[in-house]
Order: sequence, then C-alpha cells, then structure tokens
Amino acid sequence: EAGVAQSPRYKIIEKRQSVAFWCNPISGHATLYWYQQILGQGPKLLIQFQNNGVVDDSQLPKDRFSAERLKGVDSTLKIQPAKLEDSAVYLCASSLDSLEQFFGPGTRLTVL
Amino acid sequence: GNSVTQMEGPVTLSEEAFLTINCTYTATGYPSLFWYVQYPGEGLQLLLKATKADDKGSNKGFEATYRKETTSFHLEKGSVQVSDSAVYFCALSDTGGFKTIFGAGTRLFVKA
Repeated sequence: EAGVAQSPRYKIIEKRQSVAFWCNPISGHATLYWYQQILGQGPKLLIQFQNNGVVDDSQLPKDRFSAERLKGVDSTLKIQPAKLEDSAVYLCASSLDSLEQFFGPGTRLTVL
Repeated sequence: GNSVTQMEGPVTLSEEAFLTINCTYTATGYPSLFWYVQYPGEGLQLLLKATKADDKGSNKGFEATYRKETTSFHLEKGSVQVSDSAVYFCALSDTGGFKTIFGAGTRLFVKA
C-alpha cells in the first residue's frame, strides 16, 4: 500500500514570497490533516479535512495560509506571503478512522 | 483548552534498561490518547493508542495505560534496544478524532 506522498521535500524562499505544498493521501482515507512542526516542538494541527470539507481550521493563520482539498483526494497548502517564523516542516497525514494517522515525509521550508 | 505535557529529553539509557516516558494531559470529555514515534530519517508513525479509561495500548514491547484519575498515559518498555532510539510524541484527540494535539516530543538515546 502506497503511503502519504508530499512534495516538494525541501523548499527555500525569501520572506514575502509565496509557496505551495502538495499532499496525496492514502487511497480511501477520508480524513486529511496538515501540521506545522517547528524545530524542537511537536506537530501543530493547522487544518483537518473530512472528504473535501473543512472540519477544523481554528489554528490556521488565515491571513496568510490557505488550504484546499479538491474532490476529496489531493490537497494543497499555500503560504502567501511567507514570514521568517513560517520556517518549519509541514506534515500531511491521512486517516481512515480518525484514530490512526499516517504521516507523509514532510516538506522542510526555510524562509530567508 | 486541551493540552499534552511530556517529559523533556533527551533520555539516555543503556541497552536492556527499563524505560518510562511520562505524559500527562488536560482535556474535557473523553479523549483518545496516542504515542507516535519518529525514527531517525523516517516519518511519524503510530506506536500505540488507547481510546477509553483503563485501556492499555501495546506494540513492539511498549505499553501505556490510559489513567483518567491521574490524567496520564506514560510510555513504558521493560528492556530497550539500540533500535528504539527515536523521538517519542504523546498526543490526544477529542471525541470524534478532532483537534489532535501533540506533546513536544522526548528524544531517546539507547547505548549498546
């Protein structure tokens, strides 16, 4: 069974630029999550989708972050414009039962 | 709001030593509790879970018991191996699998 795929794996941008991350969850998983993991901290949930609907985006900085999940499968997370403090690993996870989450390898973002 | 607190690391043990990593939580209702592990160079993966009070999750020799009276979910293993060296994250989700919160992580080093 293929795991959660994410791209790119690494991204370096200047502050105020835009960036987008892509996630392809495990086939059949209805729930998709985006997390931000700052170095030395645990993952912080940004947004949770159930199929293509948002069920929780309470911690998403909506002035600069946006996410969508087209047709209830792939998802993109965008940051526009980026700030220095956005430097982190962005993790995508998916779940069949909303209990066990399967994580992708993450995208490491560096904002200079 | 809900929160998870786990012991700070790093924890350094010799092979075959007993391991305890403490985790306490605050939550309303009846959350589900998890331990995730991140081995060097790999993504996060679920180690074990418990969904109600007094449940014991177990996997790969690791155990944790959901203690509602002490709001704890401590991770234990009777005899650690070098291959257990990793970062361990305690996490909770509220009823329905929403609002997942992770602890800061505890790094474990096991020496041969």
